[in-house]
Amino acid sequence: QKEVEQDPGPLSVPEGAIVSLNCTYSNSAFQYFMWYRQYSRKGPELLMYTYSSGNKEDGRFTAQVDKSSKYISLFIRDSQPSDSATYLCAMSGLYNQGGKLIFGQGTELSVKP
Amino acid sequence: SAVISQKPSRDICQRGTSLTIQCQVDSQVTMMFWYRQQPGQSLTLIATANQGSEATYESGFVIDKFPISRPNLTFSTLTVSNMSPEDSSIYLCSVPGGSYGYTFGSGTRLTVV
Repeated sequence: QKEVEQDPGPLSVPEGAIVSLNCTYSNSAFQYFMWYRQYSRKGPELLMYTYSSGNKEDGRFTAQVDKSSKYISLFIRDSQPSDSATYLCAMSGLYNQGGKLIFGQGTELSVKP
Repeated sequence: SAVISQKPSRDICQRGTSLTIQCQVDSQVTMMFWYRQQPGQSLTLIATANQGSEATYESGFVIDKFPISRPNLTFSTLTVSNMSPEDSSIYLCSVPGGSYGYTFGSGTRLTVV
């Protein structure tokens, strides 16, 4: 069993739709949870960062962490064609102290105009 | 957050040869990380490079195959040695990004023929 599981998609939605991206994990030591966005032929860029359980909102993006269920989500409201990318969840037990990031497989999202 | 310059952006190499990938950061960082992203797969950590000490390799990766140099706090190289088609991947360097996650280079897309 992989430490982090993510539905690889691909996921195709019409412009304006609400998108839900999800990851499950098995390691209860994970404390830091991140979502990265990766455009084609680019490196991943940090989109959202959450510590422990709870919600975090940034514009059209909301990240949720449920540690009791070992489940994290990223919601994108009013999705735009520019949101078309691969979204990767990532987790770590230690942050900025040599903590290794464990990535999900990535979900490829396409938002159609 | 730090800005990373990674070279080359892509290369096509003959099997049995070696390729050295360079990663330059615009600020001093203690730790640099090297990841591999195989086609359709997640990012996998190869090794952690600390300045002034030997790199720490993850399970499944060995120094003879992926030697790493870290001559100062802003630069690192990863060499992919004795390449085979199975080494065809995207290779990315990463550094801690202050308080907000990790910053990645744009990657080196390697094709081995």
